[in-house]
Amino acid sequence: NAGVMQNPRHLVRRRGQEARLRCSPMKGHSHVYWYRQLPEEGLKFMVYLQKENIIDESGMPKERFSAEFPKEGPSILRIQQVVRGDSAAYFCASSPPTGGDGYTFGSGTRLTVV
Amino acid sequence: KQEVTQIPAALSVPEGENLVLNCSFTDSAIYNLQWFRQDPGKGLTSLLLIQSSQREQTSGRLNASLDKSSGRSTLYIAASQPGDSATYLCAVRVGGATNKLIFGTGTLLAVQP
Repeated sequence: NAGVMQNPRHLVRRRGQEARLRCSPMKGHSHVYWYRQLPEEGLKFMVYLQKENIIDESGMPKERFSAEFPKEGPSILRIQQVVRGDSAAYFCASSPPTGGDGYTFGSGTRLTVV
Repeated sequence: KQEVTQIPAALSVPEGENLVLNCSFTDSAIYNLQWFRQDPGKGLTSLLLIQSSQREQTSGRLNASLDKSSGRSTLYIAASQPGDSATYLCAVRVGGATNKLIFGTGTLLAVQP
C-alpha cells in the first residue's frame, strides 16, 4: 500500500499562472480532504470530497480555488491566477468511508509563487 | 465553533526526560482525536488515534489520554530521545457529515542530546 500520494512535491509558479496539485488516496479510501498550511500557521481545512461529489468546501477561498475528485483518477486542487499569498504547503488526506480508522496524510505539495 | 489549543507552543528538554504535551478543545462533541508528528518540511505522521468512547491509547513510548467531558487530551512521551524532536499536532474530528479535522497550532519539541 503506497499510502496517500501527492505530486508534485514542490511547485513553483509565477504570479498569474495556474497551479494543479494532485492527490491519489490510499487504496480502499473513498474520502479525500485538502488542508493548507501557511508559513508559521497551523493546518486549515479547505475541502472534503468523495468520488464525483464535493461534500464540504467551507474552507475554500471563494475565488480562484476549485477541487474535484473524478470517478477515475486522482483528486485535483486547482488554483487559478496564483498570488504570493497562495504560497503554502498543501496536504491531502484520505480516510475510509467511516473515518473510524483516522486519516492518512500525504507528504504535501509545497507551492511557491514568485 | 470548535477551537483546538496546544500548550506549550515550544518545549526543550534533555534526553531521557519524560514529558507531557497538552491539547484542549472547546466542543466536546467530537468523533475522535488524533495526534500527529510533523518533521520540518515534511508531511504528517499519525501517532495515535483515540475514539470518543476511549480514554487512552498507547504505542511504544507514547501514551495519549482523552477526557472528552473536560475537552482535554495529553500526549505522554517516555524517555525522550533526540529523534523525537518534531512538531506535535493534535486534531479533533468533528461530528456530523462534514468529517473534517480541526488542528491545534502544535507544540515544537526539541530533545537535547
